Amino acid sequence: KAGVTQTPRYLIKTRGQQVTLSCSPISGHRSVSWYQQTPGQGLQFLFEYFSETQRNKGNFPGRFSGRQFSNSRSEMNVSTLELGDSALYLCASSLDLFTDTQYFGPGTRLTVL
Amino acid sequence: KQEVTQIPAALSVPEGENLVLNCSFTDSAIYNLQWFRQDPGKGLTSLLLIQSSQREQTSGRLNASLDKSSGRSTLYIAASQPGDSATYLCAVKDTGGFKTIFGAGTRLFVKA
Repeated sequence: KAGVTQTPRYLIKTRGQQVTLSCSPISGHRSVSWYQQTPGQGLQFLFEYFSETQRNKGNFPGRFSGRQFSNSRSEMNVSTLELGDSALYLCASSLDLFTDTQYFGPGTRLTVL
Repeated sequence: KQEVTQIPAALSVPEGENLVLNCSFTDSAIYNLQWFRQDPGKGLTSLLLIQSSQREQTSGRLNASLDKSSGRSTLYIAASQPGDSATYLCAVKDTGGFKTIFGAGTRLFVKA
């Protein structure tokens, strides 16, 4: 069974631009979560989607948004990029919201110049 | 507010040694606890998932325990190998906001 895929793998943007990252979950998984990983803050939860609805959200500004499509694929968008948004963005999929193992993709490395 | 702490932050051991990694959390209201490993620049690989009603899980040379009442979990690695070198992260799924909270990780180096 194919794993979680994320595209693109690497991105370089400049301050003020916006970016869209994509995540395709494991087939049959309906929950997709997004995380930001930085050396200083570690892994921080961004948001989780289940059946096209955002179920919970971390403590990030409104510039960070996401959505999930009917095929469970998810996108996250960051508008008005700041230098501090440079990070590894990881998505994870699972069968359900509460009890299932989370399987992670390889991540998208975003660099903001 | 749920907080997850991992001790030690880094660990270096000779090959073949048995070792224990620790994870503590402040709020026992969790759905589950999961252990991951992360290789440099890569995504996370799931190792073990323990549901809140369970006490331990085993997979190969790995054994994870959960004591929800005291807010602790341990990951036991038997007969460590150089290929075990990685950062090990624990994460709890919180019932308060259904969020997953990660610890900062333990960086493990196994010397050949």
